Amino acid sequence: NAGVTQTPKFQVLKTGQSMTLQCAQDMNHEYMSWYRQDPGMGLRLIHYSVGAGITDQGEVPNGYNVSRSTTEDFPLRLLSAAPSQTSVYFCASSYSGLAGVDGELFFGEGSRLTVL
Amino acid sequence: GENVEQHPSTLSVQEGDSAVIKCTYSDSASNYFPWYKQELGKRPQLIIDIRSNVGEKKDQRIAVTLNKTAKHFSLHITETQPEDSAVYFCAAIKDTGFQKLVFGTGTRLLVSP
Repeated sequence: NAGVTQTPKFQVLKTGQSMTLQCAQDMNHEYMSWYRQDPGMGLRLIHYSVGAGITDQGEVPNGYNVSRSTTEDFPLRLLSAAPSQTSVYFCASSYSGLAGVDGELFFGEGSRLTVL
Repeated sequence: GENVEQHPSTLSVQEGDSAVIKCTYSDSASNYFPWYKQELGKRPQLIIDIRSNVGEKKDQRIAVTLNKTAKHFSLHITETQPEDSAVYFCAAIKDTGFQKLVFGTGTRLLVSP
């Protein structure tokens, strides 16, 4: 049982490049989400999914796309990277709602992205 | 929408002292308040949570208190140890409808031996 697995752990991009951050969970959780973590700003929700085929925008969705074709996978796509997207990205999953109410929100180990 | 403010942003204590981190929230309908601990370079992990129908909850050296009237909640760590050094995040949520946690900005706690 690996929990939530994110790849890559580190990535450097040039402005305008695109890339996909991968997230997979093996806990059969319906709810998955992506957060970005910036100094002094805590964790902010980018996109979330309440099940396969269902996604929605969070607090800071601009510049990112997501899809949820299977229960296990929830990739985050950067369409045209900008320096403002330099951040640490966390994928999370839970079985009892996005917030993990009555259960825990399980985070991946994070992906540190630098956009030059 | 919900807004969560967290103070202080940094907190330095000596080993054995107590540490208190405070959060305020704006939406009176919020009814679930978790705390996450993030060690350096690691993922955030849930350490304790509280529902709005409870005023206080304890788990060994950590406790959380909630004041619904004032819309604030606090994390208390007693007998701090160096391994308590981490960033702590509070969060608030209304557990109805689509659930989206709103996190505070984090408190970096440093416990010196």
